[in-house]
Amino acid sequence: DAGVTQSPTHLIKTRGQQVTLRCSPKSGHDTVSWYQQALGQGPQFIFQYYEEEERQRGNFPDRFSGHQFPNYSSELNVNALLLGDSALYLCASSPWTSGYNEQFFGPGTRLTVL
Amino acid sequence: SQQGEEDPQALSIQEGENATMNCSYKTSINNLQWYRQNSGRGLVHLILIRSNEREKHSGRLRVTLDTSKKSSSLLITASRAADTASYFCATDTPQGGSEKLVFGKGTKLTVNP
Repeated sequence: DAGVTQSPTHLIKTRGQQVTLRCSPKSGHDTVSWYQQALGQGPQFIFQYYEEEERQRGNFPDRFSGHQFPNYSSELNVNALLLGDSALYLCASSPWTSGYNEQFFGPGTRLTVL
Repeated sequence: SQQGEEDPQALSIQEGENATMNCSYKTSINNLQWYRQNSGRGLVHLILIRSNEREKHSGRLRVTLDTSKKSSSLLITASRAADTASYFCATDTPQGGSEKLVFGKGTKLTVNP
């Protein structure tokens, strides 16, 4: 049973460019959340997707957008990249049920903006 | 914004010793969890404690929760070199649900062989 997978592993971009990161959730999970983790900091919640819709959003600008596909996989898009967007981007998945749902995290994508 | 603050920021101990990390948070919570992260990679879930629980054990891990002080501690007993990692506490709130976790800045633990 594959866990959460993310691609690519590493990515280097320049300021102003756009980037797309991908996530496949754990088998049986239909909810995907994205987090940004700057160096030396804890992860920060970007947004959550369920049924192809954004359900919750953290304190991130509109340059950060996402998508969820019918197979539950998800993409994170960041436009007009800034140096400060350099971070580890983590995807987490869980089933959409009431009550507590453990988040399973992927290995992350390391984005470097030059 | 960060909800939790771990203390200390860094901790270096010898193999076999116990390691204690503390976490403080700001708002009311449903659950508090501890995660481990090796070398800036993915997060591994260690243990969850609910807001109505005071102590929980899992193997060499012991977690306490004091909701009146909005604080938690993680104790790792008989540490091993393989425990070297960063440890984060994460909370979820009644408003955000369990998918919207709020993490602290983490404690970097080094266990020397």
